[in-house]
Amino acid sequence: SQQGEEDPQALSIQEGENATMNCSYKTSINNLQWYRQNSGRGLVHLILIRSNEREKHSGRLRVTLDTSKKSSSLLITASRAADTASYFCATGSLFGNEKLTFGTGTRLTIIP
Amino acid sequence: DSGVTQTPKHLITATGQRVTLRCSPRSGDLSVYWYQQSLDQGLQFLIQYYNGEERAKGNILERFSAQQFPDLHSELNLSSLELGDSALYFCASSPGLGLARYNEQFFGPGTRLTVL
Repeated sequence: SQQGEEDPQALSIQEGENATMNCSYKTSINNLQWYRQNSGRGLVHLILIRSNEREKHSGRLRVTLDTSKKSSSLLITASRAADTASYFCATGSLFGNEKLTFGTGTRLTIIP
Repeated sequence: DSGVTQTPKHLITATGQRVTLRCSPRSGDLSVYWYQQSLDQGLQFLIQYYNGEERAKGNILERFSAQQFPDLHSELNLSSLELGDSALYFCASSPGLGLARYNEQFFGPGTRLTVL
């Protein structure tokens, strides 16, 4: 079963614009991760944010976490064509990430 | 390149058959995870092994089994295959237990299984 729900399911923007994706989850977590998947390929880890963090940056990525609302957002600034991919949030439990539960994903398309 | 390798890349077989998917984790990682990605179920955790022992189980069918060998590579065996087993199967690895159990997982490129 999917713990997380990403919103929107699909997003198309012009190159150079910012893209924001949201993720909601159901149970208490230790951390939340975002992964990228290029079409039909393996997942690439982007960023991990711990439950005691509210915001984290990595290059053009900014992730926020609101544990009271059980939600997270991923912002990609100054988007590039190479950012075209599906983006998934993933959560483990309070006890570890043995069983990562993935959201449904957001399909991001960057229009050159 | 994540450092996790999976073979084969593609596998086409018939219903009722049995296949074995292979995974080699990143150097030094003791935990191996298997996931299934299908259009209708999304990404589903199947099973985890840590240093040769089963650690956690997810939505893995009884027709499926896995093991991790002393050299830490892992195999996922799928038997009595059905059309609905067609999917991408991913292996991931991570350092493992202790504080490392909160770390990210590194995914292999996947094996695309097609059951005809």
